[in-house]
Amino acid sequence: GENVEQHPSTLSVQEGDSAVIKCTYSDSASNYFPWYKQELGKGPQLIIDIRSNVGEKKDQRIAVTLNKTAKHFSLHITETQPEDSAVYFCAAGRNTDKLIFGTGTRLQVFP
Amino acid sequence: GAGVSQSPSNKVTEKGKDVELRCDPISGHTALYWYRQRLGQGLEFLIYFQGNSAPDKSGLPSDRFSAERTGESVSTLTIQRTQQEDSAVYLCASSLSVRLAYGYTFGSGTRLTVV
Repeated sequence: GENVEQHPSTLSVQEGDSAVIKCTYSDSASNYFPWYKQELGKGPQLIIDIRSNVGEKKDQRIAVTLNKTAKHFSLHITETQPEDSAVYFCAAGRNTDKLIFGTGTRLQVFP
Repeated sequence: GAGVSQSPSNKVTEKGKDVELRCDPISGHTALYWYRQRLGQGLEFLIYFQGNSAPDKSGLPSDRFSAERTGESVSTLTIQRTQQEDSAVYLCASSLSVRLAYGYTFGSGTRLTVV
C-alpha cells in the first residue's frame, strides 16, 4: 500500500539555524504534498503545501521542495525560533483520495 | 462553527466496554476524515466520508470499529469491546471537498485510554 517515510524522527537546532525535514513516498500517482505542525495537546495544523506541477514553494521562513522523479519532498525552516518547536508531519495524496502521513519529526529549537 | 470540534477531549474506559467519539466538522465541509495517533507515532488513516457515504473505510483495524455520519454534519466513531491497544488519540478532520487541494482542518482530538 501507500507509504510515506519521514526523517529524522527528532531534530534539535540552535535558534537562528536552519532545519530540514525529508520525506519519501511510494505512490507515484501522488500529486499533493502538505506539511502539518502539531503543538502539544492540539490537532495538526497545515503550514504549507505543494502540488506536483511545482518544484518549490516558499512562504516567509518556510519552504518546501519536491522531486517527483525521486519521490522526495522536504521542508526547510530558516532562522528558526523557539516557537517553531513542535512535531511536524509530511503527507502525500492524490486527487480525491485520503492523505497518507509520515511518522513525524519532533523539532526542538534551543534559545 | 469556527473549527472542528471533538468530544469528549479525554475518555478513560474499562477494557471490554464500548465507546463513542464525536466529531462536529466545520459547517459546509462535505468531507470528513478519522485518523488514529498512537503515542509518539504518525497519523493512521481509519475512514473518510463524502457527505454521509464512506467511500473508503479500509483503515478500520477490525470489525469492532465503525463510524457513521448523519445530515452531512456530525460523525460518530464507535469502538466496541475496547482493548488496551485501542488507546490512542483519535483525530477528526474536515474539508470543503474530497479534493485534496482544499486541505484538512483538524480537531484537537479525543484521547482514549483503555484500562
